[in-house]
Order: sequence, then C-alpha cells, then structure tokens
Amino acid sequence: QKEVEQNSGPLSVPEGAIASLNCTYSDRGSQSFFWYRQYSGKSPELIMFIYSNGDKEDGRFTAQLNKASQYVSLLIRDSQPSDSATYLCAVSSNTDKLIFGTGTRLQVFP
Amino acid sequence: SQTIHQWPATLVQPVGSPLSLECTVEGTSNPNLYWYRQAAGRGLQLLFYSVGIGQISSEVPQNLSASRPQDRQFILSSKKLLLSDSGFYLCAWSVFFGGEAFFGQGTRLTVV
Repeated sequence: QKEVEQNSGPLSVPEGAIASLNCTYSDRGSQSFFWYRQYSGKSPELIMFIYSNGDKEDGRFTAQLNKASQYVSLLIRDSQPSDSATYLCAVSSNTDKLIFGTGTRLQVFP
Repeated sequence: SQTIHQWPATLVQPVGSPLSLECTVEGTSNPNLYWYRQAAGRGLQLLFYSVGIGQISSEVPQNLSASRPQDRQFILSSKKLLLSDSGFYLCAWSVFFGGEAFFGQGTRLTVV
C-alpha cells in the first residue's frame, strides 16, 4: 500500500515567520511530487511541483526533495494570514495514480 | 488555456434519491479524468478515473458509478444515495496519468 504521510497540525506560525510543512512517502519509485493548497470549503490548488533532489524556489515558496530519505517539504517564507489553509502533499510514480496525504492545516496569526 | 467546470456547487438530496454530477474540461484533448471525494476533515479519496472515452476504473466499491460519454465529459452517478455519500466531490483532470491534477470547484453534497 503506497502511503503519503503528513502531520495533520494545526501548525501555527506568526505572521512574517517561515512555515515548514513536511511529507514522507513510502514508494521508492516515486518520481513526481506536488504541493496543493486548499482553503476551507474550496478545492485544492496546485502551488508547487518538484521532480529532482534539492530545492526549487517560486516566490515565497520553496519545495525541498530528498529521495534517499523519501521526504519532501514546503517552506513558506514571510508567512501571511492569507497563507492559512490546508496543504496537501501528493506523490506519483508517473505510471500510477497520484497519492495524496491527508494534509497539514497551517494557521498564520497576526 | 484549460479550464474545468463542475456543477452544481452545492446539493442537498434525500436518502434513496438518484445523483448525477457533471464535469467538463475545456482547452485540451484526451485528458485523464478523476472523481475524488473528501469527507469532512479527511483526505482525498479517489473514486474513479478514466484515461479515455468509455474507460472507467473504480478505486472503491460502493453505490456510485462513473461514465465518460465524451472525451472531455465525466459524470458521477448513483441510483440511490446513502447518508454516507455526503461529502465534497471533486472532479480533476491531468495531461499525463499520475501527473499534476487540476481540480474543479467541487460539489458539496449533503444527503438527508
């Protein structure tokens, strides 16, 4: 059974701080890794993807991948109250369906 | 650009009534299509996926069914709803199977 694990949270950080969201996966054949943001009552929105080991930066977001440790993370710099949402990690082997984690709820307080 | 439309946004149905949720994708051909369900406070559960017209794969046995009558149309149905069918239903598409998925706005179904 392929699994993606995330701490459900909530993760509470003050405005302006760095939020660090973590995800581990069980399938060593995983090749593609995605982060989705889901506001309460809304559908998930793709915010980052990463395919290679290392860091990938996009604005205030940085995705980090370590395939040897089967670990992927999302850093949000200068966190804003508008970043408060549930963040879903999703993993794929590229030959099978996406596997989603259950999400981490992030709360950014002023 | 590609867009995905899903309707209705909310639905309240009595137990035992039928269900039909529709999803269409614009701006792409032969998309991979998915139906997910998200129970309150829970993760995404993949219900069905389709890699082509008339091709439906079921992930979870239940009283729901799916159909893909046209390339960019995906329908989720039930003949008789159960209370346990309540949830947030999401349609999604991807270019490659297992690739990044893009979601519709979702349908919040309450079975009463």
